[in-house]
This record gives sequence, structure tokens and C-alpha cells, in this order.
Amino acid sequence: KAGVTQTPRYLIKTRGQQVTLSCSPISGHRSVSWYQQTPGQGLQFLFEYFSETQRNKGNFPGRFSGRQFSNSRSEMNVSTLELGDSALYLCASSFGEGYSYEQYFGPGTRLTVT
Amino acid sequence: AQSVAQPEDQVNVAEGNPLTVKCTYSVSGNPYLFWYVQYPNRGLQFLLKYITGDNLVKGSYGFEAEFNKSQTSFHLKKPSALVSDSALYFCAVRDRLDSNYQLIWGAGTKLIIKP
Repeated sequence: KAGVTQTPRYLIKTRGQQVTLSCSPISGHRSVSWYQQTPGQGLQFLFEYFSETQRNKGNFPGRFSGRQFSNSRSEMNVSTLELGDSALYLCASSFGEGYSYEQYFGPGTRLTVT
Repeated sequence: AQSVAQPEDQVNVAEGNPLTVKCTYSVSGNPYLFWYVQYPNRGLQFLLKYITGDNLVKGSYGFEAEFNKSQTSFHLKKPSALVSDSALYFCAVRDRLDSNYQLIWGAGTKLIIKP
């Protein structure tokens, strides 16, 4: 079974720009969650999508948004980028929603904002 | 506020010795607890989880964890450490606020196994 894939793996953007990250879950998984990982804040939950609907949300501003398609693939968008958005963005897929099941993580997208 | 604490930034253990990585939590209701491991240049991997049932949970790579409700702890253990166990370990707990779920993560503990 193929693992979770994320594209692109690395990204450099300028303040004020927007960015879209993509995640393809493991086949059969319908839940996709997004996390931000930084040295200072650690792992922080952004949101979870299940069956094309956002089911759970962390404490991030509205500049961070996402969506999920009918094939369970998900995208995350960050608008009006700030220097503090530089981080490793991780996507995880799971069989079910609500975090009763283990999650399978992708390798991440390293975003650098200059 | 709901939280997860991993009190040790780093744990050093000699190969062959038992290891323990500590985790305590604060959450309302019954906790769903998880351990994940992050190897260098590799993604986060699931080790084990506790939702209900036996307090001793067995997971991947010979790891186990003991759920202690009175001490609100979920320490990760292994009887005999391997050099290949060196990695960053994260404890996580499921938090629920109204109908919104999220995973709260500890800061991580770097485990170093010395030959």
C-alpha cells in the first residue's frame, strides 16, 4: 500500500503571498488531518477533513484553510503569508474521523517564508 | 486547559538497558492516548494507543505503555533498548470541546541510546 504523499516537499515564498499544499492519503482512508510543526511550538493541529467536510479545527487564524475532494485528497491553503508561518506542514490520514484510529503521516512540506 | 507534558527533553540510555519515556496528561473525560515516533528524515510513525481496556498496551518495535488513571500518566517503556530506537518520541491525547476533537501533542522527548 502506498503511503501518504505530500507535494511539494519544499517551498519558498515571500511575505504576503499565498500557498497551496497537497496531500494524498492512503487508499481507503477518508480522514485527513493537517499539522504545523515548528521548533518553538512543536506539533499543532490545524484541521481535520472527513468525507469532504471539515470536522474538527484547531486554533489557527482564518488565513489557514483547507478542503477535501471526493477521492479524499486534501489541500491546505495559507493566504497572506507571514514569517511565522515558516514550518514543516504535516498531513496525516486515518481510516476514521475523530482520532480513535491511528494516523499515518506523510513526509511533510517544508515551507520557508522570506 | 487540556494538555500533555513530556517532562524530559532528552533521555539517555545504554543499549540493552530498559527505557522509559514519560508522559502525563490533563483532559476531561476518558482519555484517548497515543505514542508516535519520529526518526531522522522520516515521517511520524504510530507506536501504540490506549482507548479502553487493559492498562498495559503493547505496540510496535517491542514498545509498551502503561495507562495510570490516578497519576494521569501514560509512560512509554521498552525492556531492552536498541541503538536503532534513538529518535524523537511524542505523546498525544485526544481533546474534546463541544463536538470538536483535536489531538494535543507533547513537546517531544529525544531518546538517545548509546552502544
